[in-house]
Amino acid sequence: SQQGEEDPQALSIQEGENATMNCSYKTSINNLQWYRQNSGRGLVHLILIRSNEREKHSGRLRVTLDTSKKSSSLLITASRAADTASYFCATDNYGQNFVFGPGTRLSVLP
Amino acid sequence: NAGVTQTPKFQVLKTGQSMTLQCAQDMNHEYMSWYRQDPGMGLRLIHYSVGAGITDQGEVPNGYNVSRSTTEDFPLRLLSAAPSQTSVYFCASSYPSPGLAGSGTQYFGPGTRLTVL
Repeated sequence: SQQGEEDPQALSIQEGENATMNCSYKTSINNLQWYRQNSGRGLVHLILIRSNEREKHSGRLRVTLDTSKKSSSLLITASRAADTASYFCATDNYGQNFVFGPGTRLSVLP
Repeated sequence: NAGVTQTPKFQVLKTGQSMTLQCAQDMNHEYMSWYRQDPGMGLRLIHYSVGAGITDQGEVPNGYNVSRSTTEDFPLRLLSAAPSQTSVYFCASSYPSPGLAGSGTQYFGPGTRLTVL
Protein backbone atom coordinates (compact mmCIF):
# COMPACT_ATOMS: atom_id res chain seq x y z
CA SER A 1 0.00 0.00 0.00
CA GLN A 2 1.06 3.59 -0.53
CA GLN A 3 3.16 5.19 2.19
CA GLY A 4 1.88 8.64 1.33
CA GLU A 5 -1.78 9.36 0.71
CA GLU A 6 -2.82 12.83 -0.40
CA ASP A 7 -6.13 14.38 0.42
CA PRO A 8 -8.19 15.64 -1.35
CA GLN A 9 -7.79 13.84 -4.67
CA ALA A 10 -8.92 16.96 -6.51
CA LEU A 11 -9.38 20.59 -5.52
CA SER A 12 -10.81 23.56 -7.43
CA ILE A 13 -10.40 27.09 -6.16
CA GLN A 14 -10.55 30.65 -7.46
CA GLU A 15 -7.46 32.69 -8.14
CA GLY A 16 -6.32 34.49 -5.02
CA GLU A 17 -7.66 31.86 -2.65
CA ASN A 18 -5.49 29.57 -0.56
CA ALA A 19 -5.13 25.87 -1.37
CA THR A 20 -4.43 23.25 1.28
CA MET A 21 -3.44 19.68 0.55
CA ASN A 22 -2.76 16.96 3.07
CA CYS A 23 -0.54 13.91 3.09
CA SER A 24 -0.71 11.01 5.51
CA TYR A 25 1.84 8.26 5.91
CA LYS A 26 2.18 5.06 7.88
CA THR A 27 5.72 4.56 9.18
CA SER A 28 8.51 6.65 10.64
CA ILE A 29 10.14 8.97 8.16
CA ASN A 30 13.53 10.55 7.58
CA ASN A 31 11.92 13.36 5.60
CA LEU A 32 8.89 14.24 3.50
CA GLN A 33 8.96 16.04 0.18
CA TRP A 34 6.37 17.82 -1.94
CA TYR A 35 6.51 17.88 -5.72
CA ARG A 36 4.53 19.61 -8.46
CA GLN A 37 3.74 18.09 -11.84
CA ASN A 38 2.38 20.16 -14.67
CA SER A 39 0.40 18.21 -17.23
CA GLY A 40 2.62 15.90 -19.24
CA ARG A 41 5.81 17.05 -17.53
CA GLY A 42 8.28 15.63 -15.05
CA LEU A 43 7.99 16.28 -11.34
CA VAL A 44 9.58 19.36 -9.84
CA HIS A 45 10.75 19.40 -6.24
CA LEU A 46 9.03 22.12 -4.19
CA ILE A 47 10.03 21.72 -0.58
CA LEU A 48 11.44 19.17 1.84
CA ILE A 49 10.76 18.94 5.54
CA ARG A 50 12.82 16.75 7.85
CA SER A 51 11.42 14.64 10.64
CA ASN A 52 12.73 17.02 13.31
CA GLU A 53 11.10 20.06 11.69
CA ARG A 54 7.52 21.21 12.17
CA GLU A 55 7.11 23.96 9.60
CA LYS A 56 8.91 25.32 6.55
CA HIS A 57 8.24 28.17 4.18
CA SER A 58 9.29 28.82 0.63
CA GLY A 59 7.75 31.82 -1.07
CA ARG A 60 3.98 31.24 -1.16
CA LEU A 61 4.40 27.67 0.09
CA ARG A 62 4.04 26.59 3.68
CA VAL A 63 4.55 22.99 4.75
CA THR A 64 3.80 21.57 8.16
CA LEU A 65 4.67 18.18 9.57
CA ASP A 66 3.00 16.45 12.50
CA THR A 67 4.93 13.26 13.22
CA SER A 68 2.54 12.27 16.02
CA LYS A 69 -0.32 12.17 13.50
CA LYS A 70 1.91 11.00 10.66
CA SER A 71 0.66 13.77 8.44
CA SER A 72 1.83 16.81 6.50
CA SER A 73 0.05 19.68 4.83
CA LEU A 74 1.01 21.92 1.94
CA LEU A 75 -0.52 25.39 1.85
CA ILE A 76 -0.30 27.53 -1.28
CA THR A 77 -1.30 31.09 -0.51
CA ALA A 78 -2.76 33.60 -2.97
CA SER A 79 -3.04 30.96 -5.68
CA ARG A 80 -2.55 31.76 -9.35
CA ALA A 81 -3.72 30.04 -12.52
CA ALA A 82 -0.11 28.91 -13.01
CA ASP A 83 -0.40 26.84 -9.82
CA THR A 84 -2.77 24.50 -11.64
CA ALA A 85 -0.98 21.14 -11.47
CA SER A 86 -0.85 17.85 -9.61
CA TYR A 87 0.90 17.85 -6.27
CA PHE A 88 2.54 14.78 -4.78
CA CYS A 89 4.05 14.01 -1.44
CA ALA A 90 6.88 11.50 -1.13
CA THR A 91 8.43 10.01 1.96
CA ASP A 92 11.87 8.75 2.81
CA ASN A 93 10.97 6.13 5.38
CA TYR A 94 14.53 5.02 6.10
CA GLY A 95 14.22 2.42 3.39
CA GLN A 96 16.13 2.26 0.16
CA ASN A 97 13.64 4.24 -1.88
CA PHE A 98 11.12 7.06 -1.78
CA VAL A 99 7.40 6.33 -1.77
CA PHE A 100 4.91 8.59 -3.55
CA GLY A 101 1.26 9.16 -2.86
CA PRO A 102 -1.39 9.27 -5.62
CA GLY A 103 -1.42 13.07 -5.72
CA THR A 104 -3.86 15.98 -5.51
CA ARG A 105 -5.05 17.63 -8.72
CA LEU A 106 -5.34 21.36 -8.14
CA SER A 107 -7.28 23.58 -10.51
CA VAL A 108 -7.04 27.34 -10.01
CA LEU A 109 -9.78 29.13 -11.89
CA PRO A 110 -9.23 32.68 -13.16
CA ASN B 1 24.36 21.05 -16.01
CA ALA B 2 21.80 19.24 -18.13
CA GLY B 3 20.31 17.57 -15.04
CA VAL B 4 18.45 14.33 -15.81
CA THR B 5 17.93 13.53 -19.47
CA GLN B 6 15.75 10.83 -20.95
CA THR B 7 15.48 9.49 -24.48
CA PRO B 8 13.34 8.96 -26.41
CA LYS B 9 10.48 11.31 -25.50
CA PHE B 10 7.90 9.21 -27.33
CA GLN B 11 7.92 5.59 -28.45
CA VAL B 12 5.41 3.22 -30.00
CA LEU B 13 6.10 -0.49 -29.82
CA LYS B 14 4.31 -3.60 -30.94
CA THR B 15 3.59 -6.36 -28.46
CA GLY B 16 6.65 -8.55 -28.03
CA GLN B 17 9.20 -5.97 -29.13
CA SER B 18 12.04 -4.98 -26.84
CA MET B 19 13.63 -1.61 -26.30
CA THR B 20 15.81 0.40 -23.95
CA LEU B 21 14.83 3.68 -22.36
CA GLN B 22 17.88 5.80 -21.71
CA CYS B 23 18.49 7.91 -18.62
CA ALA B 24 21.56 9.98 -17.80
CA GLN B 25 22.44 12.51 -15.11
CA ASP B 26 25.44 14.79 -14.83
CA MET B 27 25.16 15.67 -11.14
CA ASN B 28 27.23 12.74 -9.82
CA HIS B 29 24.20 11.44 -7.91
CA GLU B 30 24.57 8.00 -6.43
CA TYR B 31 20.84 7.21 -6.30
CA MET B 32 18.85 6.70 -9.49
CA SER B 33 15.41 5.28 -10.03
CA TRP B 34 12.77 4.49 -12.62
CA TYR B 35 9.07 5.11 -12.10
CA ARG B 36 6.02 4.55 -14.22
CA GLN B 37 2.97 6.76 -14.10
CA ASP B 38 -0.35 5.61 -15.45
CA PRO B 39 -3.10 8.14 -16.31
CA GLY B 40 -4.43 9.96 -13.25
CA MET B 41 -2.17 7.97 -10.95
CA GLY B 42 0.86 8.48 -8.80
CA LEU B 43 4.33 7.13 -9.45
CA ARG B 44 5.20 3.49 -8.97
CA LEU B 45 8.80 2.47 -8.51
CA ILE B 46 10.13 -0.06 -11.03
CA HIS B 47 13.84 -0.38 -10.19
CA TYR B 48 16.40 1.67 -8.36
CA SER B 49 20.14 1.88 -7.84
CA VAL B 50 22.20 3.21 -4.93
CA GLY B 51 25.41 3.29 -6.93
CA ALA B 52 27.30 1.88 -9.89
CA GLY B 53 27.01 -1.89 -9.99
CA ILE B 54 24.11 -2.00 -7.50
CA THR B 55 20.47 -2.32 -8.53
CA ASP B 56 17.33 -3.55 -6.84
CA GLN B 57 13.67 -4.10 -7.56
CA GLY B 58 10.93 -1.69 -6.68
CA GLU B 59 7.19 -2.15 -6.51
CA VAL B 60 6.53 -3.20 -10.14
CA PRO B 61 9.72 -4.78 -11.59
CA ASN B 62 8.23 -7.55 -13.73
CA GLY B 63 8.99 -7.20 -17.42
CA TYR B 64 11.82 -4.71 -16.88
CA ASN B 65 15.58 -4.98 -16.44
CA VAL B 66 18.13 -2.38 -15.42
CA SER B 67 21.88 -2.08 -15.13
CA ARG B 68 24.18 0.56 -13.66
CA SER B 69 27.65 0.29 -15.13
CA THR B 70 28.46 3.98 -14.54
CA THR B 71 27.32 6.62 -12.07
CA GLU B 72 25.83 8.67 -14.91
CA ASP B 73 23.68 6.15 -16.79
CA PHE B 74 20.75 3.99 -15.74
CA PRO B 75 19.00 2.39 -18.74
CA LEU B 76 15.67 0.59 -18.43
CA ARG B 77 15.07 -2.39 -20.71
CA LEU B 78 11.68 -3.71 -21.69
CA LEU B 79 12.24 -7.35 -22.49
CA SER B 80 9.03 -8.19 -24.38
CA ALA B 81 6.64 -5.27 -24.47
CA ALA B 82 3.02 -5.78 -23.45
CA PRO B 83 0.04 -3.38 -23.69
CA SER B 84 0.02 -3.22 -19.88
CA GLN B 85 3.36 -1.42 -20.10
CA THR B 86 1.79 1.53 -21.88
CA SER B 87 2.65 4.37 -19.54
CA VAL B 88 4.83 7.40 -18.96
CA TYR B 89 8.25 6.51 -17.58
CA PHE B 90 10.26 8.86 -15.42
CA CYS B 91 13.85 8.59 -14.35
CA ALA B 92 15.03 10.41 -11.25
CA SER B 93 18.25 10.92 -9.35
CA SER B 94 19.23 12.20 -5.94
CA TYR B 95 22.08 12.49 -3.48
CA PRO B 96 22.50 11.10 -0.98
CA SER B 97 20.44 7.94 -1.15
CA PRO B 98 17.20 7.55 0.82
CA GLY B 99 17.58 6.83 4.49
CA LEU B 100 20.74 8.87 4.84
CA ALA B 101 21.13 12.27 6.43
CA GLY B 102 20.59 14.98 3.88
CA SER B 103 18.55 12.86 1.48
CA GLY B 104 15.34 13.90 -0.16
CA THR B 105 15.59 16.15 -3.18
CA GLN B 106 14.93 14.13 -6.31
CA TYR B 107 15.55 15.48 -9.79
CA PHE B 108 13.30 14.13 -12.50
CA GLY B 109 13.76 13.75 -16.22
CA PRO B 110 11.06 14.93 -18.65
CA GLY B 111 9.67 11.43 -19.16
CA THR B 112 9.22 8.93 -21.96
CA ARG B 113 5.69 8.34 -23.19
CA LEU B 114 5.46 4.71 -24.29
CA THR B 115 2.58 3.11 -26.14
CA VAL B 116 2.48 -0.64 -26.73
CA LEU B 117 0.06 -1.81 -29.40
